[in-house]
Amino acid sequence: AQKITQTQPGMFVQEKEAVTLDCTYDTSDPSYGLFWYKQPSSGEMIFLIYQGSYDQQNATEGRYSLNFQKARKSANLVISASQLGDSAMYFCAMRDNNQGGKLIFGQGTELSVKP
Amino acid sequence: DVKVTQSSRYLVKRTGEKVFLECVQDMDHENMFWYRQDPGLGLRLIYFSYDVKMKEKGDIPEGYSVSREKKERFSLILESASTNQTSMYLCASSEEGRGAFFGQGTRLTVV
Repeated sequence: AQKITQTQPGMFVQEKEAVTLDCTYDTSDPSYGLFWYKQPSSGEMIFLIYQGSYDQQNATEGRYSLNFQKARKSANLVISASQLGDSAMYFCAMRDNNQGGKLIFGQGTELSVKP
Repeated sequence: DVKVTQSSRYLVKRTGEKVFLECVQDMDHENMFWYRQDPGLGLRLIYFSYDVKMKEKGDIPEGYSVSREKKERFSLILESASTNQTSMYLCASSEEGRGAFFGQGTRLTVV
């Protein structure tokens, strides 16, 4: 069965430093997509970055990059130059393209950025 | 800009009422999803749809039904609202090879 694991319930980072949020996944299907979302206290789920299983290069979007290690089944999110506004819950998710695109989520990591 | 719109941000309903939560996307996505989010339980999939008039049960479909008559609209129906359905409801849409996007969420309180 597909599964997403985020092992860090909470993380702290100093403003302007980089931080890595861990995500591992489990699937036997060759075609899948990996996502990261930010959820501030307002509750909205904000899409950050996407990586397809066949993509050769790691995805990047501004200060966000996804460290995709297919053999290890990991898809860690790296946030460079942290800002106070980055404080939020972060969710890793996987879409199984062979099951109607079903999206499953990890339990989330709460990131706190210290001034 | 991509857009997924949920009909209400906050909703208060009485026990036993029939409740409709509407979600509309403007990205021509095939797949649409309804989740509920509760503290300590993360996001749980209620139903999803991969095409018009097609639907699949998620992890917690009991007490809910869905409707997808048009590609852009996916409705979640609480047949008879109960207090244990008080939650944050999130709608999303996605397409293979592309991102998956959420609406702003609906905080439903059943009293």
